[in-house]
Parts: sequence; C-alpha cells; structure tokens
Amino acid sequence: NAGVTQTPKFQVLKTGQSMTLQCAQDMNHEYMSWYRQDPGMGLRLIHYSVGAGITDQGEVPNGYNVSRSTTEDFPLRLLSAAPSQTSVYFCASSYTLYQETQYFGPGTRLLVL
Amino acid sequence: GESVGLHLPTLSVQEGDNSIINCAYSNSASDYFIWYKQESGKGPQFIIDIRSNMDKRQGQRVTVLLNKTVKHLSLQIAATQPGDSAVYFCAENQDSEKLVFGKGTKLTVNP
Repeated sequence: NAGVTQTPKFQVLKTGQSMTLQCAQDMNHEYMSWYRQDPGMGLRLIHYSVGAGITDQGEVPNGYNVSRSTTEDFPLRLLSAAPSQTSVYFCASSYTLYQETQYFGPGTRLLVL
Repeated sequence: GESVGLHLPTLSVQEGDNSIINCAYSNSASDYFIWYKQESGKGPQFIIDIRSNMDKRQGQRVTVLLNKTVKHLSLQIAATQPGDSAVYFCAENQDSEKLVFGKGTKLTVNP
C-alpha cells in the first residue's frame, strides 16, 4: 500500500489564482480530512468526509472547497488564493475517526504571494 | 481558544534520559486521545493512543498517562534517543468526527 499520497509537494501561487491539492489513499478508509499547519501552531481541521458523497466543515473552512466522489480521493480546492492561505496542508485518512487514529500524508507546502 | 494545549513549547534532554511531555485538555467529554510525532518536513506519525476508560497505556519505550480528574495527558519516552527529536502533538477526539490538536512541544535530544 502507498498509504496517503499528496500532490504537489510544493506550490507557489499568486493572489487570486486557483488550484487543487490532491489527496489519495489506497487503504479503503472511509474517513478523510484536510488540515493546515502554520508555524508554532498545531493542525487545524479544514474539511472532512465520513464517506463518498459526504463532506463537512471543520474549524477553518473559509476559502476552501472539497468533494468526495470516490472513497480513494479527497481533493482540496482553493478558488481564489490569498496570502493567508500560505501554509502546509496535510491530508489524513482512517477507517473511522471515533476511536481510530489517522494516517497522514507527507504534506503540501503552499506559498501564496 | 485551544482546548488542547501543552505546558511547555520546548523540551531539551540528554540522550539516555527519560522525557515527559505534557498536555492539558479542557473538554471533559473527550474520550479518545492520541500522541503524534512530527519530524521536520514530514507529516504527523501516530505514536500511541489511549481511551478514556484507561489511565495508562504502554508501548515500546513510550507510556501515555491520562488523568481525567485534572484533564491532563502526558507522554513519557524512556531512554530518549537522538531519533526522538521532533515535535510532539497531543490530540483529542471531542466528538465522533473531529480531532483537536494542541500546538506541540519540540523535543531536542542532546548527545
């Protein structure tokens, strides 16, 4: 198993540009989530999904959209990037969340100029 | 504010010593706690977890203690090694769909 994969590893955007951060897992996990990590802070939940076709907002959802058309993929979309979205983004998955640890991807470093 | 936090942002220990990393949580309804290790440039990696019906759980060189009375969680690393240098996060499952992370403690192991 490849586990949780994320692409790209690095990305530089200009303010107002759009892009999609890709996340995929091959462990047949139902639960997937996106976090952002800023310097000196822990991970903050952006959006999550408890299964294909179901998504919900986390702690900091503004400026981000998600969809879950398949069990394997959970892309995160920035429709109009802002400098405040400069961060490291982590995708995670697990069979469930309740009483279950999550497996994290390697992260995507995003710089918005 | 943060409902899961750490008492110390940094911890420096000598190789071979035991390390203790602390975490306070505020939600008494949280029933599942996890410790993660994050090395530079990598994603968080699961270390150990504990459910609220337990007060202690041991793994390989690591022990997690849970004190529900004072809402305190700790991670003990025995015989700390240079490879243990990383940022350690505690996380709590406040409801069935979300994890809340603390800000992290940076552990530095000196040779």
